[in-house]
Amino acid sequence: DQQVKQNSPSLSVQEGRISILNCDYTNSMFDYFLWYKKYPAEGPTFLISISSIKDKNEDGRFTVFLNKSAKHLSLHIVPSQPGDSAVYFCAASEGYGGATNKLIFGTGTLLAVQP
Amino acid sequence: DAGVTQSPTHLIKTRGQQVTLRCSPKSGHDTVSWYQQALGQGPQFIFQYYEEEERQRGNFPDRFSGHQFPNYSSELNVNALLLGDSALYLCASSFSQNYGYTFGSGTRLTVV
Repeated sequence: DQQVKQNSPSLSVQEGRISILNCDYTNSMFDYFLWYKKYPAEGPTFLISISSIKDKNEDGRFTVFLNKSAKHLSLHIVPSQPGDSAVYFCAASEGYGGATNKLIFGTGTLLAVQP
Repeated sequence: DAGVTQSPTHLIKTRGQQVTLRCSPKSGHDTVSWYQQALGQGPQFIFQYYEEEERQRGNFPDRFSGHQFPNYSSELNVNALLLGDSALYLCASSFSQNYGYTFGSGTRLTVV
């Protein structure tokens, strides 16, 4: 039962262009969503998050959009840089705030930014 | 400031054996969560420890057990290893009242 789905295993974009990574979820009880970036031989690194009371959150080059009615979120990276090449995981949890909440991860999308 | 430290980094075990993985949380963190990441999959929640007790558990069999020590470090134990237990095991630490997880680099377990 895959509650968080990332249907694109990989994505390739040119440096300077926009990268759009997508994520769908099925559990309507999820109310907090996060994106993590993972380089080989390293643990996932937190990138950006959004709560269900918002539809957009920005942090520098990274913007996350949430469409609750469609149970869909996306991560936009503008402009993309070669150093952004990594696996990106979408994650969700029930319950807002507090480190007690377990994260449900998608299967990841491998982003390759071509110079 | 040291982040989350996991040991060992790589491990090879035989089916049926037992294994212990270790995790030292980031300074100031008191909660430790363990995740299993199989090849081509996202991390899956195993369990979480706070105040030396298991607070939450994911859908993993009793062969998976853990412990948290008074200094907040943690161990993950897996008994009767199966080939399917081969995965990257990630430890994440956090401060109980703060959402931010910090992940370690993981332990790569191979069961042969």
